Amino acid sequence: DARVTQTPRDKVTEMGQEVTMRCQPILGHNTVFWYRQTMMQGLELLAYFRNRAPLDDSGMPKDRFSAEMPDATLATLKIQPSEPRDSAVYFCASGPGLAGTDTQYFGPGTRLTVL
Amino acid sequence: AQSVTQLGSHVSVSEGALVLLRCNYSSSVPPYLFWYVQYPNQGLQLLLKYTSAATLVKGINGFEAEFKKSETSFHLTKPSAHMSDAAEYFCAVSDQRNNDMRFGAGTRLTVKP
Repeated sequence: DARVTQTPRDKVTEMGQEVTMRCQPILGHNTVFWYRQTMMQGLELLAYFRNRAPLDDSGMPKDRFSAEMPDATLATLKIQPSEPRDSAVYFCASGPGLAGTDTQYFGPGTRLTVL
Repeated sequence: AQSVTQLGSHVSVSEGALVLLRCNYSSSVPPYLFWYVQYPNQGLQLLLKYTSAATLVKGINGFEAEFKKSETSFHLTKPSAHMSDAAEYFCAVSDQRNNDMRFGAGTRLTVKP
């Protein structure tokens, strides 16, 4: 049963610290999406990649957030320095392509708390 | 820009009653529409999707949705609610240009015994 995995599942850190979240997409999927979910804003698209190349990161605060795909099996989302307002659940999703009809498969999320 | 609006952030039904979750879309091009479900402490999973074939789409767990272009709607229904249906439901839209999917704010479904 192929699924997207994310680590860590929970992260508590102090303001100013660096946070790295990791995602392993489903094998064979060539698109990866990062979302952030909060009570106030709902689900927000932060960035997405195709074939490891970033296509759109306009939803991401550029000064502190960065997203990369070092290889086809790993996507990372980094926050440096972290702030309390970054507290949220971060989801990674992968898909087989970029067609509008393609289903996105979500990981279980990383719950980030910044104190 | 495309978007979806989900009417009602909370819906409560009794077990065995009809479930109706409302979603209206806005899109300048023919849309593709999705319903996802999120159970507590889990990621989203696809319930069903409309991709311009049949307007009545059947999904998992007895859910279905009907695309109505004249009403710009894609409401989700289930004839008889089960306790296990309690979750948050998200409507989403994309289109032929890419997979940049936009999600609604979500509707939390509560099922009373």
